[in-house]
Amino acid sequence: DADVTQTPRNRITKTGKRIMLECSQTKGHDRMYWYRQDPGLGLRLIYYSFDVKDINKGEISDGYSVSRQAQAKFSLSLESAIPNQTALYFCATSATRRPLDEQFFGPGTRLTVL
Amino acid sequence: GEDVEQSLFLSVREGDSSVINCTYTDSSSTYLYWYKQEPGAGLQLLTYIFSNMDMKQDQRLTVLLNKKDKHLSLRIADTQTGDSAIYFCAESTEGSYIPTFGRGTSLIVHP
Repeated sequence: DADVTQTPRNRITKTGKRIMLECSQTKGHDRMYWYRQDPGLGLRLIYYSFDVKDINKGEISDGYSVSRQAQAKFSLSLESAIPNQTALYFCATSATRRPLDEQFFGPGTRLTVL
Repeated sequence: GEDVEQSLFLSVREGDSSVINCTYTDSSSTYLYWYKQEPGAGLQLLTYIFSNMDMKQDQRLTVLLNKKDKHLSLRIADTQTGDSAIYFCAESTEGSYIPTFGRGTSLIVHP
């Protein structure tokens, strides 16, 4: 079974709708992240969480919110989706122990906002 | 802020060597990484190098680091069609915990 799972894998929605993307992990990692990937722009960090009580904004948090329901679950919400939020969204995890900051990625959710 | 730059595309013939280049700006980078993203999948760590190393070799992969020029490269020997993917350069510094990723280089391997 995959260590980091994302649901749904694909979603098409309309402008103005509220959307939730979910991420679950079985790696036992404290740290979780949400990224979006756009062609030519690479990965951009939306939000990250270093433990259940710690939530931080990334470089592009406007229009998004997150919830860390448990160590293993980190959800991303688009309160009112807009077309420029069409992208590939990735959840990732990493271990608290140092020194290597290797991140483990889920398979991605392709979101299309019409 | 910190920046990681890499070219967007590279096309090579099967059997040739591929060299993907990356430059970074943070002189305090501790670790430099290469991640691979295959079609339809998430990123996966391919290899990494500590900043106190100049070179690391792992089977067909060779990573070269020039700290003075802040330049990192990934060489893939005997490139195969299965190597077709997007390769991301990334760096992290002591205490930052979150790597900074480049935009990714799409490697296209043709017969």
